[in-house]
Amino acid sequence: DGGITQSPKYLFRKEGQNVTLSCEQNLNHDAMYWYRQDPGQGLRLIYYSQIVNDFQKGDIAEGYSVSREKKESFPLTVTSAQKNPTAFYLCASSIGGATQYFGPGTRLLVL
Amino acid sequence: AQKITQTQPGMFVQEKEAVTLDCTYDTSDQSYGLFWYKQPSSGEMIFLIYQGSYDEQNATEGRYSLNFQKARKSANLVISASQLGDSAMYFCAMREGAEYGNKLVFGAGTILRVKS
Repeated sequence: DGGITQSPKYLFRKEGQNVTLSCEQNLNHDAMYWYRQDPGQGLRLIYYSQIVNDFQKGDIAEGYSVSREKKESFPLTVTSAQKNPTAFYLCASSIGGATQYFGPGTRLLVL
Repeated sequence: AQKITQTQPGMFVQEKEAVTLDCTYDTSDQSYGLFWYKQPSSGEMIFLIYQGSYDEQNATEGRYSLNFQKARKSANLVISASQLGDSAMYFCAMREGAEYGNKLVFGAGTILRVKS
């Protein structure tokens, strides 16, 4: 089945540690996105990529980094510079500006 | 900056009745897209319905319809014949243009609870 997978489902980060969230899609979509959701709020864009080897900062990119070496994959690294990383992270993909489809999400917690 | 407003933090509806979830938006663009997503307690965002700014007909998808009033900048979601499984958080979102990466701007959401 085609879809978007995210792993892990839950992730724990220690102080000063970098962690990487995985996002893979087999929908042959060109564009991929990372959003952050805090409790009781809507989603906010962290980074997006419209084509391989290119990505752009979203509204809240500080403390995060991404790569887009393959069309199918768009991993997100939460660095130690992100002081409040506890949130629900959602990855999405689309064909250009068409409907974005989301993965199941990763919950990041700080120990 | 584009903005989405959902004024209803929470709504209750009786099973089998219809419910309307409100959404207003603010944009100076002529071309834009409006989306509704459902987020159950599992967290996954499920696409429900889409309305383009140039679409003359209101969008419909099964029990979901979008009441699009362009002059009033509103895009309300109507769920007919509510079911217990409709209990979830609902988000209205607007797509920004290609120059902004086609990103979605989300409202704060409305929690819907369907009563039996």
